[in-house]
Amino acid sequence: DAKTTQPPSMDCAEGRAANLPCNHSTISGNEYVYWYRQIHSQGPQYIIHGLKNNETNEMASLIITEDRKSSTLILPHATLRDTAVYYCIVRSTNAGGTSYGKLTFGQGTILTVHP
Amino acid sequence: NAGVTQTPKFRILKIGQSMTLQCTQDMNHNYMYWYRQDPGMGLKLIYYSVGAGITDKGEVPNGYNVSRSTTEDFPLRLELAAPSQTSVYFCASRFPGLAGGPYSTDTQYFGPGTRLTVL
Repeated sequence: DAKTTQPPSMDCAEGRAANLPCNHSTISGNEYVYWYRQIHSQGPQYIIHGLKNNETNEMASLIITEDRKSSTLILPHATLRDTAVYYCIVRSTNAGGTSYGKLTFGQGTILTVHP
Repeated sequence: NAGVTQTPKFRILKIGQSMTLQCTQDMNHNYMYWYRQDPGMGLKLIYYSVGAGITDKGEVPNGYNVSRSTTEDFPLRLELAAPSQTSVYFCASRFPGLAGGPYSTDTQYFGPGTRLTVL
């Protein structure tokens, strides 16, 4: 699975959009971009994923560049409860086989939402 | 559904003691995983299972054992606890669908974690 690079920390004001970048320059054609987050002392929580089209769900939007070498997770109206570590993970669509669905977590981005 | 549950929430062990961390899921997921997370770090995979009776090693299996006798349960065993095993342990599960697409079933669901200290 491709390696990802994220900034170690970011700040955001409550009510504003939080834009979290992720670089994955070695991503290959069959690899998806996943975002999980981990609120303090809790287990990671799935947010969103995508292949090459932009995606949106009730939690966030995911913008993937045309060359797929980077992406941005957007929390449109950040709240204090969105303070967490956000992980960008790239993995193969081979959900079984040798990848066995493993998620490789880096150190993520610590997002702090302040009043 | 309770999702993924883990017990205990906290535990302190002495060096050389043994214990079992329990993990149960009620979503009928075939795939289950054990991760550990050291302070300030990301999660590392210890063991995984693709179904009852089938387990395999992840990135950091040394010092641990697992079993999978039922779909629901995936206990993690520490036989001779060492200070290096001080960590937070997370169990996760997912349905074995193919990744990708807006209706992918590839999402992993995590339990609340067990915080283990070995002194």
